Amino acid sequence: TQLLEQSPQFLSIQEGENLTVYCNSSSVFSSLQWYRQEPGEGPVLLVTVVTGGEVKKLKRLTFQFGDARKDSSLHITAAQPGDTGLYLCAGSHQTGANNLFFGTGTRLTVIP
Amino acid sequence: DAGVTQSPTHLIKTRGQHVTLRCSPISGHKSVSWYQQVLGQGPQFIFQYYEKEERGRGNFPDRFSARQFPNYSSELNVNALLLGDSALYLCASSGGRSLSGNTIYFGEGSWLTVV
Repeated sequence: TQLLEQSPQFLSIQEGENLTVYCNSSSVFSSLQWYRQEPGEGPVLLVTVVTGGEVKKLKRLTFQFGDARKDSSLHITAAQPGDTGLYLCAGSHQTGANNLFFGTGTRLTVIP
Repeated sequence: DAGVTQSPTHLIKTRGQHVTLRCSPISGHKSVSWYQQVLGQGPQFIFQYYEKEERGRGNFPDRFSARQFPNYSSELNVNALLLGDSALYLCASSGGRSLSGNTIYFGEGSWLTVV
């Protein structure tokens, strides 16, 4: 059972374009994390959000946690080929647990 | 500093066989978690160990087992392998038992192919 649904599943855009990836659930999470995974490697943490409505920025990446802590979005401004990869959101139900529920993933390709 | 290291990186097994995957956490980290990532999907939680005790278990059959050693390294064992067990097995370590204030670091994974 996939608790977190990501959309779109695949995204191919031109360099310089903006994009938004969505992560939705019917469950409430105590925290939500975004990862990027390159082929042949493990996921690498980009950000953790814990407060409803929280917005975090990481250079050209903007992350938002929904007010109800059930959904999140990742917005990339002026995408670059180096942004290519699999983007995963992952939520935790309990602050006292390390088990993450991962989304289905969004595979982004940025064309030079 | 060494990150999370896993071995082997790739292996092929036959249905019905047994496999052991190994993980060494980042130095000083006491929590190790295991995830299974089937091609085209996000990782799914299998186990978490903290201070050598099981602290969490995902929805996997009893063919899956794990343990953590005094040096905090960990093994994941899978018995009676099925074709559907073919996946990337990821190990993650963190400093504490909970996510609060603790970043989780993933290893590069062990690719298991069951034929």
